[in-house]
Amino acid sequence: ETGVTQTPRHLVMGMTNKKSLKCEQHLGHNAMYWYKQSAKKPLELMFVYSLEERVENNSVPSRFSPECPNSSHLFLHLHTLQPEDSALYLCASSQEWGTGSHYGYTFGSGTRLTVV
Amino acid sequence: DQQVKQNSPSLSVQEGRISILNCDYTNSMFDYFLWYKKYPAEGPTFLISISSIKDKNEDGRFTVFLNKSAKHLSLHIVPSQPGDSAVYFCAASGTGANNLFFGTGTRLTVIP
Repeated sequence: ETGVTQTPRHLVMGMTNKKSLKCEQHLGHNAMYWYKQSAKKPLELMFVYSLEERVENNSVPSRFSPECPNSSHLFLHLHTLQPEDSALYLCASSQEWGTGSHYGYTFGSGTRLTVV
Repeated sequence: DQQVKQNSPSLSVQEGRISILNCDYTNSMFDYFLWYKKYPAEGPTFLISISSIKDKNEDGRFTVFLNKSAKHLSLHIVPSQPGDSAVYFCAASGTGANNLFFGTGTRLTVIP
């Protein structure tokens, strides 16, 4: 499989649940990103990993916890979320951190998260 | 405060006509601009980009125009096709900055 794959595609969770979003890329890219897309808002950068090291945390609440075990996989662990966290969560990758701003990111299809 | 703005949430155009999607930015340090296209249930895909040293970049039916003095860029699609119906995001980055700043998107509907 090529490109960036995200699972699950849809997730409904209660505010006391713990769940994880998974992202996998088979492009040989060294940088991976988590973005959040809420209704009528721009895509918001949440986290950046470069060579498996977190290089950016964009003031994201601690109820979101990323993990990058290797350059092909990225997780977003969720716990005690709020209803306002309901959004589309997009994973992306680029050849290197920084090149994406010029050559574009490759995005996954996203996980539509609903917190009830 | 949003640094990249797409003030038109939606646009409808007749097939064969020109679609013009607009984008404004506030940060004068931005020097690279990209357009992404997003179909429902899919992630955004890179469409076309332009560097601030240019004022026009063309790729087939897609042309992006940049007006630095007005801090404005636009994407022209001509002729528009029903398959172009999607949400279009404008994005920008600045010298030395590694991250992209996105607009809120414009939903284009091309009517057959």
